[in-house]
Amino acid sequence: AAGVIQSPRHLIKEKRETATLKCYPIPRHDTVYWYQQGPGQDPQFLISFYEKMQSDKGSIPDRFSAQQFSDYHSELNMSSLELGDSALYFCASSSFSGGYNEQFFGPGTRLTVL
Amino acid sequence: AQTVTQSQPEMSVQEAETVTLSCTYDTSESDYYLFWYKQPPSRQMILVIRQEAYKQQNATENRFSVNFQKAAKSFSLKISDSQLGDAAMYFCAYRSQGGTYKYIFGTGTRLKVLA
Repeated sequence: AAGVIQSPRHLIKEKRETATLKCYPIPRHDTVYWYQQGPGQDPQFLISFYEKMQSDKGSIPDRFSAQQFSDYHSELNMSSLELGDSALYFCASSSFSGGYNEQFFGPGTRLTVL
Repeated sequence: AQTVTQSQPEMSVQEAETVTLSCTYDTSESDYYLFWYKQPPSRQMILVIRQEAYKQQNATENRFSVNFQKAAKSFSLKISDSQLGDAAMYFCAYRSQGGTYKYIFGTGTRLKVLA
């Protein structure tokens, strides 16, 4: 079965640079969630999209922005990177068409800011 | 706002024995879902088991079962016949029945399995 795809899997950036993380949800899933997991921490919700519209916003810095495109893939854009942005970024997808709405997690993108 | 608490940062269990991981949560909602996720060294988040709050029966998945006490807002995970492959971080998570379905995670419990 198809899973959530995230790219790149690993990314190394310098302080003040920009990074773009991509997420390709499971086919026919209409909702995408982004989570940030710092070293030794639990995943923290950043933002979610349903049918290409932002549906909820969590602890996402103003330096970050995200969107969901017509093909339902999503991109998380991170500017003016700081050392504290080093983390594992998870994308999860689900189908909002009633029922249980289980979130399926991707493998994550490990971002290292030097 | 909802919160999830895992008071055991680390637990150890002997192979083939049973271990219970604790989770408590706080919410004013009556309908919600609770989950246990496993995160091995690969960092992939793997769903272990889920529980719907409206169901009184405790969920079971093979060697994994939960003790769901809604009034006490407690949701513990029992792993029977522990195996070396069970070693991982375990996160308890809460999700509202309505709204945008974001997960709220606890801080995790690292489980070590001793041979």
